[in-house]
Amino acid sequence: EAGVTQFPSHSVIEKGQTVTLRCDPISGHDNLYWYRRVMGKEIKFLLHFVKESKQDESGMPNNRFLAERTGGTYSTLKVQPAELEDSGVYFCASSQGSSGRTLTDTQYFGPGTRLTVL
Amino acid sequence: KQEVTQIPAALSVPEGENLVLNCSFTDSAIYNLQWFRQDPGKGLTSLLLIQSSQREQTSGRLNASLDKSSGRSTLYIAASQPGDSATYLCAVKGGSYIPTFGRGTSLIVHP
Repeated sequence: EAGVTQFPSHSVIEKGQTVTLRCDPISGHDNLYWYRRVMGKEIKFLLHFVKESKQDESGMPNNRFLAERTGGTYSTLKVQPAELEDSGVYFCASSQGSSGRTLTDTQYFGPGTRLTVL
Repeated sequence: KQEVTQIPAALSVPEGENLVLNCSFTDSAIYNLQWFRQDPGKGLTSLLLIQSSQREQTSGRLNASLDKSSGRSTLYIAASQPGDSATYLCAVKGGSYIPTFGRGTSLIVHP
């Protein structure tokens, strides 16, 4: 069974440009999460989808970030316009639970996308 | 607000050493604690999950302990090998389904 995949693995862009990150969850997982790790800091939650609906987007830093999950399959995270402080590793995770909002729900992480904004 | 601290931030040891990685958390009302491993360019791989009612979990050369009252967990790696080189992350789940992560310990085991 394929795990969570993310594309691209690396992205280098200039400040002001737009970047779109993609995440493909494990097949059959309704729950999809985005996290970010800024260099030297801990991994932090960005948002959570249940199927195509945003369940919790309390971690989104600002309105330059837009996440979508049309059709409830893969998700994209767009940063527009990118700023220097957006550099970091963006992780996606998925889980199978009915709502994803349970403590027992196990999240499976993808390899991450390393974003560098120059 | 839960805060998770991992000490040391980096560790370099010769092959064969037994070593201990530390994780501390500020709010002892946790549901579980999980240790992950992250290799460069790879995702997080779950190593051990300790429920709040448990004291320790073992998997091969790895042993994780949990002391909820003192807000501490340790990951013990026996007879370290170069293949153990990676970043080790600790994450706790408290009242939220969202895990709180530490910054990790970067481990290098040299031959």
